[in-house]
Amino acid sequence: DTAVSQTPKYLVTQMGNDKSIKCEQNLGHDTMYWYKQDSKKFLKIMFSYNNKELIINETVPNRFSPKSPDKAHLNLHINSLELGDSAVYFCASSQFRNNEQFFGPGTRLTVL
Amino acid sequence: SQQGEEDPQALSIQEGENATMNCSYKTSINNLQWYRQNSGRGLVHLILIRSNEREKHSGRLRVTLDTSKKSSSLLITASRAADTASYFCATDASGGSYIPTFGRGTSLIVHP
Repeated sequence: DTAVSQTPKYLVTQMGNDKSIKCEQNLGHDTMYWYKQDSKKFLKIMFSYNNKELIINETVPNRFSPKSPDKAHLNLHINSLELGDSAVYFCASSQFRNNEQFFGPGTRLTVL
Repeated sequence: SQQGEEDPQALSIQEGENATMNCSYKTSINNLQWYRQNSGRGLVHLILIRSNEREKHSGRLRVTLDTSKKSSSLLITASRAADTASYFCATDASGGSYIPTFGRGTSLIVHP
């Protein structure tokens, strides 16, 4: 029944490792997003995909690579993790040009 | 890029009192949204107000929009302990990408 789901919920890893976060939505939306929320709760858009095509790519290090195998999934792969990557990552979805977004529960990434 | 700024950063009130949060932004917008984030959870959409609207209600929520002052307020009446959460405004610039840009949020604590 979960509308937007993310796995894992928590991710603790060492610097330099590569990790992935998965996101799935069952709302039939055609647009999906990745956000990063820092320790001060500032929520910043990272990527947006519409119908599996990248439409927004904010200033994000190219160590971050999103992949959308289909409209219902948007995964985030991070290479060579750094301490500054520690944050909560949220996936969200919406219908394109409909501003209301539906958020997943978040993935708390801790890089040691 | 467009960004809403919430004020105050933190608000602490007693159950039954009203809570008012403000949001200011910098450029013309299509609409403004308010979201709630409970601790450890994703954001939940509360209400959207369009640039040609001045006031909108939803249950105990009242949102106003003053485009001349580039500001919005969210009023929660008769607050409950369950309203304890962070509240974010999100704006999208007119003629823009329809991607809402979030502020840092107001942290509301309602004491029982």
